[in-house]
Amino acid sequence: EAGVAQSPRYKIIEKRQSVAFWCNPISGHATLYWYQQILGQGPKLLIQFQNNGVVDDSQLPKDRFSAERLKGVDSTLKIQPAKLEDSAVYLCASERQKYNEQFFGPGTRLTVL
Amino acid sequence: AQSVTQLDSQVPVFEEAPVELRCNYSSSVSVYLFWYVQYPNQGLQLLLKYLSGSTLVKGINGFEAEFNKSQTSFHLRKPSVHISDTAEYFCAVISFAGGTSYGKLTFGQGTILTVHP
Repeated sequence: EAGVAQSPRYKIIEKRQSVAFWCNPISGHATLYWYQQILGQGPKLLIQFQNNGVVDDSQLPKDRFSAERLKGVDSTLKIQPAKLEDSAVYLCASERQKYNEQFFGPGTRLTVL
Repeated sequence: AQSVTQLDSQVPVFEEAPVELRCNYSSSVSVYLFWYVQYPNQGLQLLLKYLSGSTLVKGINGFEAEFNKSQTSFHLRKPSVHISDTAEYFCAVISFAGGTSYGKLTFGQGTILTVHP
């Protein structure tokens, strides 16, 4: 079974630029999560999708962050414009409904200069 | 609200020695508990999870953890570590009701385990 795929793996941008991350979850997993992991901290949930609907985006900075999950499969997370404090690893995870286990992708390391 | 505290930010240990990584949680409702491992430049991999049943949970790579409800702890142990166990370990908790989790998976700050030869 293929795992969660993410791209790109690394991205360096200047502040105020835009950036987008892509995630392809494990086939058949209805729930998809985006996490932000700042260096030295545990992952923090940004947004949770159930199929193509948003379940929880209470910690997503909506003035600059947006996310979508078209057709309930792939997902894209966008930052526009980026700030220095957005430097982090962005992790995507997926979960088969009611199995209580999230599978994580390798992450995208974002550096904002 | 739920929270997780990992009591040690760094744990150095020699190869073949035993190790314990400590995790305490707080929650006003029932919880599921998890330990994840993160190797450098990789995503998180599930080591083990406690959902119900026996309080001693065995996971991959020889790790085990014990759920202690009275002390609200879920410490991770391994009797003999290898160089390859060097990584960052995260304890996590999520609330549940009716056998289904809900809300956010909340992570601790992480413990960096360094195994020396």
